[in-house]
Amino acid sequence: DAEITQSPRHKITETGRQVTLACHQTWNHNNMFWYRQDLGHGLRLIHYSYGVQDTNKGEVSDGYSVSRSNTEDLPLTLESAASSQTSVYFCASSVNSYEQYFGPGTRLTVT
Amino acid sequence: AQSVTQLDSQVPVFEEAPVELRCNYSSSVSVYLFWYVQYPNQGLQLLLKYLSGSTLVKGINGFEAEFNKSQTSFHLRKPSVHISDTAEYFCAVMTGTASKLTFGTGTRLQVTL
Repeated sequence: DAEITQSPRHKITETGRQVTLACHQTWNHNNMFWYRQDLGHGLRLIHYSYGVQDTNKGEVSDGYSVSRSNTEDLPLTLESAASSQTSVYFCASSVNSYEQYFGPGTRLTVT
Repeated sequence: AQSVTQLDSQVPVFEEAPVELRCNYSSSVSVYLFWYVQYPNQGLQLLLKYLSGSTLVKGINGFEAEFNKSQTSFHLRKPSVHISDTAEYFCAVMTGTASKLTFGTGTRLQVTL
């Protein structure tokens, strides 16, 4: 069955380290999204991509970057992790604009 | 810019009772509206969506929502809840010009016996 996976599911890192969160989908969806979920804020969009080589900044993109070299993957990189980036990160994908399929999430703790 | 307000952060309810989770949105253009559910330690799953047509939308697990343009609301309802409905519920809006979702802050539905 087609699916969307995220790895790792849990990550603890130190302030200042570079961290990359993986997102892989097997639906062949063009659109992919990264969100962070924080208590009291719901989900906020970090970056998104409409296809290979396309990336766009979302609402809370500072300190994050993405690259899209193929249809299946959209890795999220924290260039220099900060405590404010402790959060749960969700990846999503969609074939059209109207229904996004979400991965299981990655819980990141920055100490 | 669009925004979504979920007025209740928590809604406690007894099993088999009806429930309504409130959602209001603001947007200067026409919108598409969504409700997602998040069970503990899982990702989000689409419950239902309003794109056009009938303002009463039926979704999975017996949930329904009504789009009210004049009140800019999209409240979620279920006539009789089950313990298994305990979860976080998110309302989201998308404008017609982009495929980006703007989420509300979520409502935690707690169903007890």
